[in-house]
Amino acid sequence: QQPVQSPQAVILREGEDAVINCSSSKALYSVHWYRQKHGEAPVFLMILLKGGEQKGHEKISASFNEKKQQSSLYLTASQLSYSGTYFCGTSTGGGNKLTFGTGTQLKVEL
Amino acid sequence: KAGVTQTPRYLIKTRGQQVTLSCSPISGHRSVSWYQQTPGQGLQFLFEYFSETQRNKGNFPGRFSGRQFSNSRSEMNVSTLELGDSALYLCASSSQGSPDNSPLHFGNGTRLTVT
Repeated sequence: QQPVQSPQAVILREGEDAVINCSSSKALYSVHWYRQKHGEAPVFLMILLKGGEQKGHEKISASFNEKKQQSSLYLTASQLSYSGTYFCGTSTGGGNKLTFGTGTQLKVEL
Repeated sequence: KAGVTQTPRYLIKTRGQQVTLSCSPISGHRSVSWYQQTPGQGLQFLFEYFSETQRNKGNFPGRFSGRQFSNSRSEMNVSTLELGDSALYLCASSSQGSPDNSPLHFGNGTRLTVT
């Protein structure tokens, strides 16, 4: 079952902040975040693992609430380059597959 | 290092035909995953291979199959194409033993159009 992302779309002015949420009905081992620009491949942003470990870019901030099976991606002081579709991918562990949400379209305007 | 390479970039096929897509992972990466991306469904997992073995499979019909070679290159095959198979097919490789705790590196995809 796909994780649910919210909001589905958001428009920001440059410099504004945004939060993208991802929730699952299953007990999660890891949450991944990727950004895809139009016509390009998804690009890795961050992994959050059960137990608190995080792997990813220093300028990206995210949280993982293991009790609620929810993750949030925090985009601060947005730039035009932040525009794209953000996907969360979740795994229940055991080397299992990643199941992706349907994405959040983010557009940053001047 | 070179990134994940997928060939061809674009394909146009007719209903009933079959197609083979190719993926070359980043050098040293042994796990290769395949995803189907459509506007309505997003990224749907097809299958994942590690050291020539299929470890995970998504909920796709048997018309979708894949394999991995000893050099970690992977192919996926779709037989008896249907209009609904039109999509962007993405391949991703990862360096660690399992794709759920290491970054996926995606290729640019193969855009398949079935007419």
